[in-house]
Amino acid sequence: QKEVEQDPGPLSVPEGAIVSLNCTYSNSAFQYFMWYRQYSRKGPELLMYTYSSGNKEDGRFTAQVDKSSKYISLFIRDSQPSDSATYLCAMRGSGNTPLVFGKGTRLSVIA
Amino acid sequence: GAVVSQHPSWVICKSGTSVKIECRSLDFQATTMFWYRQFPKQSLMLMATSNEGSKATYEQGVEKDKFLINHASLTLSTLTVTSAHPEDSSFYICSAVGRGTNQPQHFGDGTRLSIL
Repeated sequence: QKEVEQDPGPLSVPEGAIVSLNCTYSNSAFQYFMWYRQYSRKGPELLMYTYSSGNKEDGRFTAQVDKSSKYISLFIRDSQPSDSATYLCAMRGSGNTPLVFGKGTRLSVIA
Repeated sequence: GAVVSQHPSWVICKSGTSVKIECRSLDFQATTMFWYRQFPKQSLMLMATSNEGSKATYEQGVEKDKFLINHASLTLSTLTVTSAHPEDSSFYICSAVGRGTNQPQHFGDGTRLSIL
């Protein structure tokens, strides 16, 4: 079993839809959870950064972490064509330990 | 804030040459920098971790004599691909973490390396 599992998609939705992306993980030592957005031929851009369980909202984006289920989610409301990208979940334990990434989900928002 | 600049963005060179890639944190001091490699449609693969003023820690399977990392200051790390060959062609991305506990990683825009 891989440490972090993420459905690679592709996921295609119409403009305005609510998008749900998620990852599962196996290492209970993970405490910090991130979502990155990566456009083609660009580096990952940090979208959300959360610690432990709970919800965090930033504009159209909401991140959820459920440590008891080892499950994290990213919701995108009112999706736009400009949201079309690959979304990577990432997580780590305490300190500046390396991130463990999911494989990324390719999202296409169709106008 | 938290901008990481990577240069060059794209380089094409002949087999056997060495290529240096720079990674700079523009508006913060980076105590730790990471170097990743990414193949098309795949996730990031960690190559090495570098802390300012100390030797880099390489992941298993990454040749330290092939991929030289220098973290000379709190704002600059370099990756040199020595005697590059076509199989070294890839997308290389750096990230940096600022001072303080449990800061997030911020990534550069990557360098596309093509070895002919």
